[in-house]
Amino acid sequence: QVTLKESGPGILQPSQTLSLTCTFSGFSLSTYGMGVGWIRQPSGKGLEWLANIWWDDDKYYNPSLKNRLTISKDTSNNQAFLKITNVDTADTATYYCARIEGLQWFSYWGQGTLVTVSS
Amino acid sequence: DIVMTQAPLSVSVTPGESASISCRSSKSLLHSNGITYVYWYLQKPGKSPQLLIYRMSNLASGVPDRFSGSGSETDFTLKISRVEAEDVGIYYCGQLLENPYTFGAGTKLELK
Repeated sequence: QVTLKESGPGILQPSQTLSLTCTFSGFSLSTYGMGVGWIRQPSGKGLEWLANIWWDDDKYYNPSLKNRLTISKDTSNNQAFLKITNVDTADTATYYCARIEGLQWFSYWGQGTLVTVSS
Repeated sequence: DIVMTQAPLSVSVTPGESASISCRSSKSLLHSNGITYVYWYLQKPGKSPQLLIYRMSNLASGVPDRFSGSGSETDFTLKISRVEAEDVGIYYCGQLLENPYTFGAGTKLELK
């Protein structure tokens, strides 16, 4: 059974660094063809892809946020991470992590974690 | 960036009837490997999105065969036959061909 669960700070202030953790089970990020992606969704709005990390540690970022994003993984503990530096109110959103398996992108999603940026 | 444009923004369907949702991309999503990289997701109220269709016409695991995807290089359709109450939510198309991967604005399906 594949599950993913995101965790984050809940609320943070502008200019701080947002650190998100995706803890998953039912698959391994050391398996060929596996990946994890991060996608966010402001309340009442659409989906925005942020970054992917692959089994071979290949990483891809959305160019519109690339300078602020860092994605990483801990294969041993079945976790993936996303850091966003210098946040502002526009980063307020629900953040999801999702599994990628081969060509089935985002086949399983976590429940999402709401992040609010406010002074 | 590739822009994904969905229509309509909302659709109201009588249970048991069919519904179609359109999606158009600003660039061909057909890769040289013959795969068309359009995906469909459903976000039910208060839930996370779920994968319905991958590579334009392939049904994701556990998805009822009432759902089907079709299209060309830039124009795509999600069809739901015999709509049920559990199909209510927002449908998103997405292109996973080119970075940045982008999604349409969504189509809200409601029941009459």
